[in-house]
Amino acid sequence: NAGVTQTPKFRILKIGQSMTLQCTQDMNHNYMYWYRQDPGMGLKLIYYSVGAGITDKGEVPNGYNVSRSTTEDFPLRLELAAPSQTSVYFCASSVVWNTEAFFGQGTRLTVV
Amino acid sequence: AQTVTQSQPEMSVQEAETVTLSCTYDTSESDYYLFWYKQPPSRQMILVIRQEAYKQQNATENRFSVNFQKAAKSFSLKISDSQLGDAAMYFCAYLSGTYKYIFGTGTRLKVLA
Repeated sequence: NAGVTQTPKFRILKIGQSMTLQCTQDMNHNYMYWYRQDPGMGLKLIYYSVGAGITDKGEVPNGYNVSRSTTEDFPLRLELAAPSQTSVYFCASSVVWNTEAFFGQGTRLTVV
Repeated sequence: AQTVTQSQPEMSVQEAETVTLSCTYDTSESDYYLFWYKQPPSRQMILVIRQEAYKQQNATENRFSVNFQKAAKSFSLKISDSQLGDAAMYFCAYLSGTYKYIFGTGTRLKVLA
């Protein structure tokens, strides 16, 4: 049972480039989330989804886009990368909104 | 807006001893959930313990227990018989019906052999 899988684990982007962070879960969870973790800070919610076809903004959505075409996949798209997007990104899922969230291992993104 | 505060950036504990990590939060809601997550060097967040605000009884999971004081909006984590494998960042988190976790800034726990 793989749980939540994120790819890639590390990436360096140049300013202005775009990329997609992949996230897939095999637990049939309806709820999925994208967080970013800046040094010395807790996690901040970027986007979340309560089911296939439904997404909504979190606390820090600017510069990002998501889609949820299937229950399993929840990719995060960065358009026109900026140094402020240098962070560690975590994808998570949960079966119901108020239960344990299962996290992926994170993607360390550096924008130079 | 809800906030979560962890006032201890770093704590140390001797192996086999007990340590308490502090967390306070601010909310006007009556129904919510509180969590402690552990983040080891591997980066993956792991649930330690979960508390439902409507329950008076403090949650316990093996060596981990909480002291939940709803009126004081306090949610501390006690780790008994500390082990080297407990060394990690610990995050306190608040969750309500908006589906959005609010995380504290974390406490780094060092376990001394």
